[in-house]
Amino acid sequence: QQPVQSPQAVILREGEDAVINCSSSKALYSVHWYRQKHGEAPVFLMILLKGGEQKGHEKISASFNEKKQQSSLYLTASQLSYSGTYFCGTERSQGNLIFGKGTKLSVKP
Amino acid sequence: NAGVMQNPRHLVRRRGQEARLRCSPMKGHSHVYWYRQLPEEGLKFMVYLQKENIIDESGMPKERFSAEFPKEGPSILRIQQVVRGDSAAYFCASSARERWTGELFFGEGSRLTVL
Repeated sequence: QQPVQSPQAVILREGEDAVINCSSSKALYSVHWYRQKHGEAPVFLMILLKGGEQKGHEKISASFNEKKQQSSLYLTASQLSYSGTYFCGTERSQGNLIFGKGTKLSVKP
Repeated sequence: NAGVMQNPRHLVRRRGQEARLRCSPMKGHSHVYWYRQLPEEGLKFMVYLQKENIIDESGMPKERFSAEFPKEGPSILRIQQVVRGDSAAYFCASSARERWTGELFFGEGSRLTVL
């Protein structure tokens, strides 16, 4: 079951904050977050393994609520370099990830 | 560059031709995964291979698609008798031989256009 991401797209000014949500209708045991810039390879941001876990990567952090079967990615004080499409993924088995359709983030100066 | 290398970066084929996409994993990695990405869509898992073994091909179409990862040389994704619907970006990823950490290292993709 493909996770559902929201919003589909968001436009920010530099320094503003954003939240990207990822939810699943099936039980989640882990959530993977990747960022892909246009025409480039997806890049791993973080993986969350436990319910309630929070992790951080630069000024990007994420939470994982196992009971609600959802994860949120928090981007604070956004920079131009944060622009790209963010994907959440759930793990079916090793390396077999089911990705959402992505959230396109545009940060403007 | 010690990253995942894919070639060709761009490939144009006419309907009915064959497409071969190659992937060399990161140095020290022995697990290779292929994903397909349609425009404005997320990545879809196709196949997971180790050297000389297909571990999980649950995402591979039953016909026309095949993948291998020989003892020597790159992994190859082969699409026979291509159709317009095969037009997509095909990404290869690799992971380390040790315990699975959940992190995939992706190449920059091969973009297939079928005319």
